[in-house]
Amino acid sequence: AQTVTQSQPEMSVQEAETVTLSCTYDTSESDYYLFWYKQPPSRQMILVIRQEAYKQQNATENRFSVNFQKAAKSFSLKISDSQLGDAAMYFCAYRRGGADGLTFGKGTHLIIQP
Amino acid sequence: DTGVSQDPRHKITKRGQNVTFRCDPISEHNRLYWYRQTLGQGPEFLTYFQNEAQLEKSRLLSDRFSAERPKGSFSTLEIQRTEQGDSAMYLCASSPRDRAQETQYFGPGTRLLVL
Repeated sequence: AQTVTQSQPEMSVQEAETVTLSCTYDTSESDYYLFWYKQPPSRQMILVIRQEAYKQQNATENRFSVNFQKAAKSFSLKISDSQLGDAAMYFCAYRRGGADGLTFGKGTHLIIQP
Repeated sequence: DTGVSQDPRHKITKRGQNVTFRCDPISEHNRLYWYRQTLGQGPEFLTYFQNEAQLEKSRLLSDRFSAERPKGSFSTLEIQRTEQGDSAMYLCASSPRDRAQETQYFGPGTRLLVL
């Protein structure tokens, strides 16, 4: 079975600084996708960034980028120029190719210090 | 472009009662997913549909849980004989037809409290 591990229950960063959230996963599949989702307090989960396993290039979306290390099964999220609106729970998620459901980690609570 | 909607947003029930939740996916999304999220945890996948066909239901937590999507549009999740351990947030998500677009779009969830 696939597992996703987020080892940082909580992270804190000063506004405008950079923070990296860690995620590791375990799978025997070769075709899969990785995601970072953001869940603000009392609001719905939204996609931050996604990575296809067959792509070597790390995904980037504005201030958000990933460091995808396929051999190490590591998928970290870097947030640059942190903003107050970035405060939320961040979930790393895995899905094998096809239409299965997502397997989520336990999440990292990100606090932005003004 | 409306997002995924869920109804009700909150539900309080007594142990032993049946509850039903509704999810309306984004228009033209043919895949629909249900998840359960307990406090301090990430969402846990329960089941999914492609159009009206339920393609995965082995992850449903017990035979008290069932889901339908009769016309391939909205879906319902029913929990029979609720237990206190069923208290959680129930999330619905949908995704588009094209395989290349694998993103799942989530609704706001239904928070269930079983007394």
